[in-house]
Amino acid sequence: EIVLTQSPGTLSLSPGERATLSCRAGQSIGSNYLAWYQHKPGQAPRLLIYGASTRATGISDRFSGSGSGTDFTLTISRLEPEDFAVYYCHQQNNSPWTFGQGTRVEI
Amino acid sequence: QVQLVQSGAEVKKPGASVKVSCKASGYSFTRYYIHWVRQAPGHGLEWMGRINPNTGGINYAQNFQGRVTMTRDTSISTAYMELSSLRPDDTGVYFCARESYSGNCFDYWGQGNRVTVSS
Repeated sequence: EIVLTQSPGTLSLSPGERATLSCRAGQSIGSNYLAWYQHKPGQAPRLLIYGASTRATGISDRFSGSGSGTDFTLTISRLEPEDFAVYYCHQQNNSPWTFGQGTRVEI
Repeated sequence: QVQLVQSGAEVKKPGASVKVSCKASGYSFTRYYIHWVRQAPGHGLEWMGRINPNTGGINYAQNFQGRVTMTRDTSISTAYMELSSLRPDDTGVYFCARESYSGNCFDYWGQGNRVTVSS
């Protein structure tokens, strides 16, 4: 099983600031198989980034993904109030598909 | 537009079973895998398994093997997930999600089913 470790657990920032979220895999993942989701309470998770760096349809260009191998990053360039949520990385390189434990971005 | 609509909240007693549904619309149901993901209170997302709606082929996560059964009814474009021998720590929200055609992400999600297991 590929373990995904996200850091930090919680990121306390203000609107307008830049957020940098990390996701480290226990073994190398093909870049095409790393995705990021945003999750707000009471809602379904929303796909932000797939293939490590491709924004999903309708996702603001404030969100960007990068990385390869075992180290991946989600960057939110200028936080808007609606960006405060939990973010998960996810791999579909190998079964079982796994998620990181999440990073909470809070005000 | 693509939609996955799940059935309503459930309250069950320990030892019982729960079966939740996920009705797909806006696309060809048999062309995309459906996955199930659980979020327990205070926890992150946990992958439970997936079903190929075309063939009925299944992959289950080891943590749920023996207790989970995933099925589908192609005539009504609906996937089902049944979890048996429920325990209080099975309480949570259960999501269905569509695997993208490229097989590298979950591009659409259902709204979630809250399942509460309590005596």
